[in-house]
Amino acid sequence: AQSVTQPDIHITVSEGASLELRCNYSYGATPYLFWYVQSPGQGLQLLLKYFSGDTLVQGIKGFEAEFKRSQSSFNLRKPSVHWSDAAEYFCAVLNSGGGADGLTFGKGTHLIIQP
Amino acid sequence: EPEVTQTPSHQVTQMGQEVILRCVPISNHLYFYWYRQILGQKVEFLVSFYNNEISEKSEIFDDQFSVERPDGSNFTLKIRSTKLEDSAMYFCASTVIETQYFGPGTRLLVL
Repeated sequence: AQSVTQPDIHITVSEGASLELRCNYSYGATPYLFWYVQSPGQGLQLLLKYFSGDTLVQGIKGFEAEFKRSQSSFNLRKPSVHWSDAAEYFCAVLNSGGGADGLTFGKGTHLIIQP
Repeated sequence: EPEVTQTPSHQVTQMGQEVILRCVPISNHLYFYWYRQILGQKVEFLVSFYNNEISEKSEIFDDQFSVERPDGSNFTLKIRSTKLEDSAMYFCASTVIETQYFGPGTRLLVL
């Protein structure tokens, strides 16, 4: 069965500093990979996704992520965080068959921004 | 931009009562999903629905749960006899094929 590991439960970053959130997946084939963000009391917003092709993908709000097959990783990065980036970030994987399959989520990383 | 909507945003119910959570998926989407997130835990897949029938379901989705698309726009999740452990945020999602778009969720509290 596929699984997603986000090893950092909490991360604290100063405003303006760079950010990297880690995500590792376990899946036999090439998965479809996603990052979602959840602000307090809100739903899940898609930040970016990787299906195939260029392993560095750009998303909304200045985020990017890099797929590394050799490390089974899909880490999320941002060069300079803003206070509004404080939220919960979830990495998710989808069976590349897509369609009816549900996403498998990691446990999430809570991002705290220090002034 | 089209969005998935969910009602109600919050619901409080007594243990043993039936609840129906409602979702309006994005209009041209074909696959619909329900997920739940127990407080402090990860988001978990419950069920997917395509062409008016269940496509996949997790072990969480037992006989007390059911889903329905009663008309051309709504997609509902029914919990027949709620338990305390059903307290969670329930998210609806929809997709054309791969990228799932989520609604804002319904927070269910079972007392």
